[in-house]
Amino acid sequence: GIQVEQSPPDLILQEGANSTLRCNFSDSVNNLQWFHQNPWGQLINLFYIPSGTKQNGRLSATTVATERYSLLYISSSQTTDSGVYFCAPETSGSRLTFGEGTQLTVNP
Amino acid sequence: DAGVIQSPRHEVTEMGQEVTLRCKPISGHNSLFWYRQTMMRGLELLIYFNNNVPIDDSGMPEDRFSAKMPNASFSTLKIQPSEPRDSAVYFCASSLAHGYGYTFGSGTRLTVV
Repeated sequence: GIQVEQSPPDLILQEGANSTLRCNFSDSVNNLQWFHQNPWGQLINLFYIPSGTKQNGRLSATTVATERYSLLYISSSQTTDSGVYFCAPETSGSRLTFGEGTQLTVNP
Repeated sequence: DAGVIQSPRHEVTEMGQEVTLRCKPISGHNSLFWYRQTMMRGLELLIYFNNNVPIDDSGMPEDRFSAKMPNASFSTLKIQPSEPRDSAVYFCASSLAHGYGYTFGSGTRLTVV
């Protein structure tokens, strides 16, 4: 099956800093989603982004499907951004394969 | 909309007992997914339904696990008999159609002792 690699595995930031999270995947995909799992365990869909760039407030995502990677950019980070960020490419049907995630900690 | 609703939020049961997890997807969504999250294996797809029909159950660990979707507004995941290694957080998610993002429920934390 498809392999999904996220980097970095852990990231610690000071409030206000910017960061870029990367997701590499090994196969062609139909689309890709980014999720945030907050410290209470809730999984929140951030982006549905098969290709191109999307922005939502301080967050933006870019997927370059031909090169098999996606980036999640967080600007002016806040403590509420802490949690785990998952990349999940979609392959056959509607199957999502989740990466291991990037654990983000934003300190005040 | 109330989102995807899962129950119970927490379940503690003894090994060998039957466990039933429940999910109500968002109204109008026609795809429903069951995922399991553990420290060792991360998030893994167990089964998904499209228009109430099971499409892919290749992730169901073994015969002890079964899932049903009797109608568009309800699904169950049953484990019988349960074992300690089934301890995990079980998530249900739904989506409108192919081409739309998933919405996850809050999950059920299952502990089998």
